Amino acid sequence: LAKTTQPISMDSYEGQEVNITCSHNNIATNDYITWYQQFPSQGPRFIIQGYKTKVTNEVASLFIPADRKSSTLSLPRVSLSDTAVYYCLVGEGTDKLIFGTGTRLQVFP
Amino acid sequence: GAVVSQHPSWVICKSGTSVKIECRSLDFQATTMFWYRQFPKQSLMLMATSNEGSKATYEQGVEKDKFLINHASLTLSTLTVTSAHPEDSSFYICSAREGTGGRYEPQHFGDGTRLSIL
Repeated sequence: LAKTTQPISMDSYEGQEVNITCSHNNIATNDYITWYQQFPSQGPRFIIQGYKTKVTNEVASLFIPADRKSSTLSLPRVSLSDTAVYYCLVGEGTDKLIFGTGTRLQVFP
Repeated sequence: GAVVSQHPSWVICKSGTSVKIECRSLDFQATTMFWYRQFPKQSLMLMATSNEGSKATYEQGVEKDKFLINHASLTLSTLTVTSAHPEDSSFYICSAREGTGGRYEPQHFGDGTRLSIL
């Protein structure tokens, strides 16, 4: 299972765009990249998933370079409610997921 | 979307009691479910993989006799913490993946169970 590395914490202000980069140098050919958001005392919530290039949904974008050794989660115009821990995971199919430290995002007014 | 439900959401009990936590996939079938434990300010730690109709696969360091897992149907997995002690107090979270092999689907997580042992 590929190991992921993310910044431990990030600060931002409301209305700004936040980019969280995750490193996964040992990603395997069949691995997908998935990002989750977790609020205190809740289970992680699926945000976005991708394999290569760019993926966008209603809440975020995911940028994956050609070598797939990293990925960047982009949150447009964050609000206070985006304060949470964000996890980047890589894996395939029925693989178990191994969570890293995650990135604790704090959004200030 | 896929919904995973956990019950109870929190439980407080005396030391020595056994506690059962249920994890249900509400609108899909899951041959595989996962159980995690999370301590305050820490990341999720995978405890075991629950397989429908067969024995669970436990991660290294997790006592299988302490944490009993039963996956009797395609929509229900249970985790029983036997003879719980204060050090077992934690936040327990389950997840399930919709679909079968060959088509990658993300895991969906329950909202967790806060277990406090007095």
